[in-house]
Order: sequence, then C-alpha cells, then structure tokens
Amino acid sequence: DAGVTQSPTHLIKTRGQQVTLRCSPKSGHDTVSWYQQALGQGPQFIFQYYEEEERQRGNFPDRFSGHQFPNYSSELNVNALLLGDSALYLCASSLQGINEKLFFGSGTQLSVL
Amino acid sequence: LAKTTQPISMDSYEGQEVNITCSHNNIATNDYITWYQQFPSQGPRFIIQGYKTKVTNEVASLFIPADRKSSTLSLPRVSLSDTAVYYCLVGENTDKLIFGTGTRLQVFP
Repeated sequence: DAGVTQSPTHLIKTRGQQVTLRCSPKSGHDTVSWYQQALGQGPQFIFQYYEEEERQRGNFPDRFSGHQFPNYSSELNVNALLLGDSALYLCASSLQGINEKLFFGSGTQLSVL
Repeated sequence: LAKTTQPISMDSYEGQEVNITCSHNNIATNDYITWYQQFPSQGPRFIIQGYKTKVTNEVASLFIPADRKSSTLSLPRVSLSDTAVYYCLVGENTDKLIFGTGTRLQVFP
C-alpha cells in the first residue's frame, strides 16, 4: 500500500516563473492538504481539497492555487514565483472526518533563484 | 484555533525517558491534542492523539491533565533515531492544522 507520493522531489525555478507540484494521496484517502515549510519553521497550512473543491485556506496569496482530480490526486500551482517561495512543499492526505490523522509525503523541495 | 507553546529544544541520552510538555491554554471543548514527529527532509509523521487522561501506543504515551490546558508527550528509552522535531497540535479536525516551530530533540549516545 503506497503512502502519499509527491513529485518532483526537487525543483529549481527562477523568479517570475510558474510551478506545478503533484501529489497522490494514500490509498483510500479522499482529502488532500498542502503545507509550505520554510527552513527551520513548522509547516504552514496552504489549503485543503475535498470532493474536488477547496475547503479551507490558510493565509496565502492567490498566486497559490490548487486542484483535486476525481481520483483524489492533487496539484499545487504557484504563479509569479518569489525568492521567498523557496521551501519544502508538503502534501498530506486524510479521510474526511473529525480527527482523522494526516499522512504526509516527503515533500517537494522548491528553490527559487 | 488553540495556540500551542513548546520548548524550542531538548537534549537527552540514549536509554532515558523524555517528556515534552506542550501548553495550550485556550483549548476548545471539541479539540483533540495530536503529536507529530519530523525528520529532516521528510514530512511529519503521526505519533499519538488524545482528548483527556492518558493514551499509550507502541511508541509513546500522552498525558493530559483534567483541565486539558497542557499535555506531555513521553518517549520511553529514547534512541539516537528519536532525534527529530516534535510538534504538538490542537484542533477539532484536520482542517487548517497549525504547526508551531516544534521541539527539537537531540539524543546523544
């Protein structure tokens, strides 16, 4: 049973470019959350998708957008990249419901030059 | 969402018991307390979750006093592989979980 898988593992972009990160949830999970983790900090919630809709959103600009597909996989898109967007981007999957624990992928390390 | 406060770092030696305390003074009635562990360049991993009193699983115990304004994660007989960052989270469900900066545990031989 594969856990949460993310691709790519590493990515280098330049300022102003756009990037798409991908996530496949753990088998049986229907909810995907995205987090941004800067070096030395805890993960910061970006948004959560369930039933192909954005359900919750953290304090991130609309340069950050996402999508969930019918097979529950998800994409995170970031437009007009800034140097400050350099971080580890984590995808977490869960089963919709109260207090269902999150299963995290290993993340995509994004470097913006 | 309840805010949590944890020590920034802790040191221990192999074989010792480690207790990490988390303060969450404004915890709500429906909030659960959840702890995650994170190794470098990996995503956080669920350790344990509780609502009140004591919860124990194969890797840790979680102690929650009656007022629920704090909780203590107990790791018995730590090894070098327990060196990681430990996060305490409080919330009603998995929506918008707020991670703090966590507690960086360093285990020495």
